[in-house]
Amino acid sequence: DAGVIQSPRHEVTEMGQEVTLRCKPISGHDYLFWYRQTMMRGLELLIYFNNNVPIDDSGMPEDRFSAKMPNASFSTLKIQPSEPRDSAVYFCASSLTSGGRGEQFFGPGTRLTVL
Amino acid sequence: AQSVSQHNHHVILSEAASLELGCNYSYGGTVNLFWYVQYPGQHLQLLLKYFSGDPLVKGIKGFEAEFIKSKFSFNLRKPSVQWSDTAEYFCAVESGTYKYIFGTGTRLKVLA
Repeated sequence: DAGVIQSPRHEVTEMGQEVTLRCKPISGHDYLFWYRQTMMRGLELLIYFNNNVPIDDSGMPEDRFSAKMPNASFSTLKIQPSEPRDSAVYFCASSLTSGGRGEQFFGPGTRLTVL
Repeated sequence: AQSVSQHNHHVILSEAASLELGCNYSYGGTVNLFWYVQYPGQHLQLLLKYFSGDPLVKGIKGFEAEFIKSKFSFNLRKPSVQWSDTAEYFCAVESGTYKYIFGTGTRLKVLA
């Protein structure tokens, strides 16, 4: 398996623009997580899905952020409108929870810069 | 609320020195514990994990960790570090919801 795939790897945009980050989880995994990593706040969980259904979005910073998972092999994280404080590395992770245990596998991340 | 504390934010060691990174969590129930490593510019990779059984867990690259339930701790150790161990190390706790709580990370720099 190719692992968790994220695109783009780098995104530079201007304040006010819409940004869409994409994630393809490992095939067969039933949980998908979106994280944000910054120097100031470390690694924060934004939202996670189970079988394509959002379970906990309490980490989503504000209404400008939204996430979808239309099918088991694809998820998006959208920021509209983007702001400079959204600059961070965004990671997607997936896990398989059969047997009640789930090691999370992380993607390479998307480095977002909002000017 | 559950939390994970990594008290050492930055650690600098010389090659061949021994390493111990602290991790404490606040949750009284059953937990699954993880250590992840993030090499510069890369994504997080699993070093080792504890679910149950022997509290001394061995992982990749010579790392090990000990779960001490009475102290709510899961410290990471390596007897002799190498320059290539320079990275950021994250402790994480999962308590049945499949959601991880991560510590703030420890940046390790190993001097050649």
